[in-house]
Amino acid sequence: NAGVTQTPKFQVLKTGQSMTLQCAQDMNHEYMSWYRQDPGMGLRLIHYSVGAGITDQGEVPNGYNVSRSTTEDFPLRLLSAAPSQTSVYFCASSKKPSGYGYTFGSGTRLTVV
Amino acid sequence: DAKTTQPTSMDCAEGRAANLPCNHSTISGNEYVYWYRQIHSQGPQYIIHGLKNNETNEMASLIITEDRKSSTLILPHATLRDTAVYYCIVKAPRGAGSYQLTFGKGTKLSVIP
Repeated sequence: NAGVTQTPKFQVLKTGQSMTLQCAQDMNHEYMSWYRQDPGMGLRLIHYSVGAGITDQGEVPNGYNVSRSTTEDFPLRLLSAAPSQTSVYFCASSKKPSGYGYTFGSGTRLTVV
Repeated sequence: DAKTTQPTSMDCAEGRAANLPCNHSTISGNEYVYWYRQIHSQGPQYIIHGLKNNETNEMASLIITEDRKSSTLILPHATLRDTAVYYCIVKAPRGAGSYQLTFGKGTKLSVIP
């Protein structure tokens, strides 16, 4: 099925551990982005990419790295997990960053203990 | 991007039309109105967007006032599956800040049997 696939769906990390959240899309979308959603809050942009080899920071980039080596994949790396990074993470893609037609993945629920 | 104001919650009887309002009194001439919804624990889903004309698609209708300071999302025949948080987002398709969807707290719509 066409869409955005995120893995894993759930993850528990210990403080200081590192991990990579995977995001893949099969719609040939140029624009991809990562958001986090904390309880009772809206989604906040972490990093985004307008095409392979091009990434930029969003509203809350600290503690996260991204890379975009292919059009399809946009992994999010947590360098040294902290309890403040406990959140639900959503990956999104679209043809253009204009605002319409974003397709979101089903999310990764991350707990840092 | 213009700030939006939405009611915190609304109820709608199943089968009736759901009318979700959004105020965006400081909207600029090049900013569009986008609507997304988030069903519990899932990623947000794009619904519809518009600039100044009324828009309709298979999911909903969007009515934008002539002065563009407010809009209404209409779900013509609400079902239980429409229970979700609905986000009204105003942003320009290009330029500074165009790479981010700013999600507020949205309106929690509960469709009642």
